[in-house]
Amino acid sequence: DAKTTQPNSMESNEEEPVHLPCNHSTISGTDYIHWYRQLPSQGPEYVIHGLTSNVNNRMASLAIAEDRKSSTLILHRATLRDAAVYYCILRGPAGGGNKLTFGTGTQLKVEL
Amino acid sequence: GAVVSQHPSWVICKSGTSVKIECRSLDFQATTMFWYRQFPKQSLMLMATSNEGSKATYEQGVEKDKFLINHASLTLSTLTVTSAHPEDSSFYICSALPDRAGELFFGEGSRLTVL
Repeated sequence: DAKTTQPNSMESNEEEPVHLPCNHSTISGTDYIHWYRQLPSQGPEYVIHGLTSNVNNRMASLAIAEDRKSSTLILHRATLRDAAVYYCILRGPAGGGNKLTFGTGTQLKVEL
Repeated sequence: GAVVSQHPSWVICKSGTSVKIECRSLDFQATTMFWYRQFPKQSLMLMATSNEGSKATYEQGVEKDKFLINHASLTLSTLTVTSAHPEDSSFYICSALPDRAGELFFGEGSRLTVL
């Protein structure tokens, strides 16, 4: 599986935007970029995913670099409930690529 | 959104006993489910891929005779930790896939403590 690199931790103030970076220089042409987050003592929760174009949903935005070697998850207005570990994961096409391999993720701390 | 439920959410057992954890997809059918294990302050580690109607595929280093997986229906997969020992104490999480290219849905997790 292609590897992703994320900062171990980041801090943000409430109501401010947060940009969570992810490097994936060995991404293949068919790999999707997925983001999940995990709150303490809970299972991971899907946030967003994309292939080449930037994506927006009610939770976040995903900005994908033109060469696809990096991406950024954007939380437009962080709240205390957004404090979690955020995982950037590459996922291949159907078949064996459906499984998700988690890296260490970024621990996001949100302060008042 | 789709819901995946695990039961029990927590369990405490004596060393040497076996523990079964259930993973159910409540509003969709899943031919494939995944089982993960997570130790404190660590990331999720994929243990095995559970395939409905066939044998599970285990990741390297995971003992298939220790962690028995049964995926007998399109909505239920079970993980049985056999002859549990304190080092098996962990947070076990399952996930299920409603369609091949979409998002995975995760259960709430099951915390196992072996005394």
